[in-house]
Amino acid sequence: QVQLVESGGGVAQPGRSLRLSCAASGFTFSSYGMHWVRQAPGKGLEWVAEIRYDGYNKYYADSVKGRFTISIDNSKNTLYLQMNSLRAEDTAVYYCARDPGFDTWGQGTLVTVSS
Amino acid sequence: QSVLTQPPSASGTPGQRVTISCSGSKSNIGSNTVNWYQQLPGTAPKLLIHSNNQRPSGVPDRFSGSKSGASASLAISGLQSEDEADYYCASWDDRLIAWVFGGGTKLTVL
Repeated sequence: QVQLVESGGGVAQPGRSLRLSCAASGFTFSSYGMHWVRQAPGKGLEWVAEIRYDGYNKYYADSVKGRFTISIDNSKNTLYLQMNSLRAEDTAVYYCARDPGFDTWGQGTLVTVSS
Repeated sequence: QSVLTQPPSASGTPGQRVTISCSGSKSNIGSNTVNWYQQLPGTAPKLLIHSNNQRPSGVPDRFSGSKSGASASLAISGLQSEDEADYYCASWDDRLIAWVFGGGTKLTVL
């Protein structure tokens, strides 16, 4: 069955970096675009980034533009989110989700930015 | 402040029909389709409605979506206790070149 499993979350100090991974299975990964969506504690959903199926077209929320980078490795069926210059407001559960329309979600991985 | 506006809460009794609204603008809902997501407590969101009114396989037909102009609605008929969850709308925004979500609506089954 279609499955997405995130990893890489944890605690990071402000200004530091983290890389999240999303391992995909059960579908032809290279044929689908992918997203990262986050949810701060007790808050709503916030779209973070999208990478189209071709791996070249990428889009970012203004809140992370210039700091976060979305990428894929089709040989490993894995989506990544490189997060640099982390801020306290980046604290959230990060979900990966499949396109179109966020039709499948992972279970999420918690990122806490704190000194 | 979310780009798409939803009421923060909604409620109903078992068996009732409830609707949740999602208001946007010409650049998002007015020009693109709307999706709806259900998030049960402590779990990841789940796609409930896509392309304004299409239900993925496995979603009960108690759930329906509609869109008119720059607004959309989710209707839940025959309300059940297990429908108690947070509901979110989402659409692509041509001006922001970004996906936008509503702030979410917490549905309580009384």
